[in-house]
Amino acid sequence: DGGITQSPKYLFRKEGQNVTLSCEQNLNHDAMYWYRQDPGQGLRLIYYSQIVNDFQKGDIAEGYSVSREKKESFPLTVTSAQKNPTAFYLCASSIPDRINSPLHFGNGTRLTVT
Amino acid sequence: GNSVTQMEGPVTLSEEAFLTINCTYTATGYPSLFWYVQYPGEGLQLLLKATKADDKGSNKGFEATYRKETTSFHLEKGSVQVSDSAVYFCALSEGAAAGNKLTFGGGTRVLVKP
Repeated sequence: DGGITQSPKYLFRKEGQNVTLSCEQNLNHDAMYWYRQDPGQGLRLIYYSQIVNDFQKGDIAEGYSVSREKKESFPLTVTSAQKNPTAFYLCASSIPDRINSPLHFGNGTRLTVT
Repeated sequence: GNSVTQMEGPVTLSEEAFLTINCTYTATGYPSLFWYVQYPGEGLQLLLKATKADDKGSNKGFEATYRKETTSFHLEKGSVQVSDSAVYFCALSEGAAAGNKLTFGGGTRVLVKP
């Protein structure tokens, strides 16, 4: 079955360490997205990529970095510069050139930084 | 910029009760509108969508009508079940030209009691 795989489901890090969250999709979608979810605040866009080797900042990109070397993969690095990294991170994908194409989401990674 | 406002929860109902979750939006163009559902510990799943004014999206007994005159997309279900307990998100997209990015509301938690 096609889908989006985020790993691991839970991740724990010490403050000051960088951490990379994995996102892999086998839906053959060109576009991929990273959202952050905080309790009661909905989802906010961190970065998105419409094609391999290209990506754009979303609304809250500070303290994060991404790469898009392969169509299937869009890893997110949470750097030590991110002031409040503890959150639930969701990866998504879509077909960017199809009108009104919905986003397909992975099951998320819950990151806890202490 | 775009924004989505939905009623705050939690909304607590008895089984077979009628559910309404209000959603209003602000957008510069003619967005598509979506409802997503999130079950505990999981990512988001598309529930329904509407792409133009007066369209009605429907799925699993849920319905929402795109009302351009009131900039609203309220979600309704006539008879809820315990399995409908989840967090519901209203979202808008300005389409492929804007990278199919979604702008989300803050989410509404629904709890259905037997």
